[in-house]
Amino acid sequence: GENVEQHPSTLSVQEGDSAVIKCTYSDSASNYFPWYKQELGKRPQLIIDIRSNVGEKKDQRIAVTLNKTAKHFSLHITETQPEDSAVYFCAPLNNAGNMLTFGGGTRLMVKP
Amino acid sequence: GAVVSQHPSWVICKSGTSVKIECRSLDFQATTMFWYRQFPKQSLMLMATSNEGSKATYEQGVEKDKFLINHASLTLSTLTVTSAHPEDSSFYICSARDPFSSGQFTDTQYFGPGTRLTVL
Repeated sequence: GENVEQHPSTLSVQEGDSAVIKCTYSDSASNYFPWYKQELGKRPQLIIDIRSNVGEKKDQRIAVTLNKTAKHFSLHITETQPEDSAVYFCAPLNNAGNMLTFGGGTRLMVKP
Repeated sequence: GAVVSQHPSWVICKSGTSVKIECRSLDFQATTMFWYRQFPKQSLMLMATSNEGSKATYEQGVEKDKFLINHASLTLSTLTVTSAHPEDSSFYICSARDPFSSGQFTDTQYFGPGTRLTVL
């Protein structure tokens, strides 16, 4: 099955700074790469996703970059705000099983 | 669009009883739904894939006789935790994929709000 690792596991930044979370995966056939944000006790919410035919995608303060050769993709959040504080999960699609495999999560804390 | 609901949002039950959790896709038809469980401060672990009109596919280590899944319609999947024990206490979350999504990738999974199960 797919092995997925996220780094760092916790990240503390000052409001206004940038945050970067990296996700590595093992299945070279994976072709869909989403990032989810989960606040305490709530559902995971899709914040950005990318397909393997694209190297980068941006949506306002959030961006995802993909390196298929090296099998990793990263979440970039610029101008962080306290409301960005949450746990972020990467979940590359295991194309053989057609299911998502979640990384261990990154707890982001944005200090005002 | 692409809203998934779950019911109940929380449930407390006695050890040995069964609990049913419903997952509904409200504005789309979901041929495939997924059931996850999440322990405190941990990631989501896939339990099973639920396919409309056929048997669910369970992940390794998940007891299919204990976690009964039924996907009888294109908008409803149910998870029944049979003979629940305290170790089954967890946050259960379902997700669904919209195979006819026009604005998003069809691989995108939309999550329900989750059900917190506490077994006494």
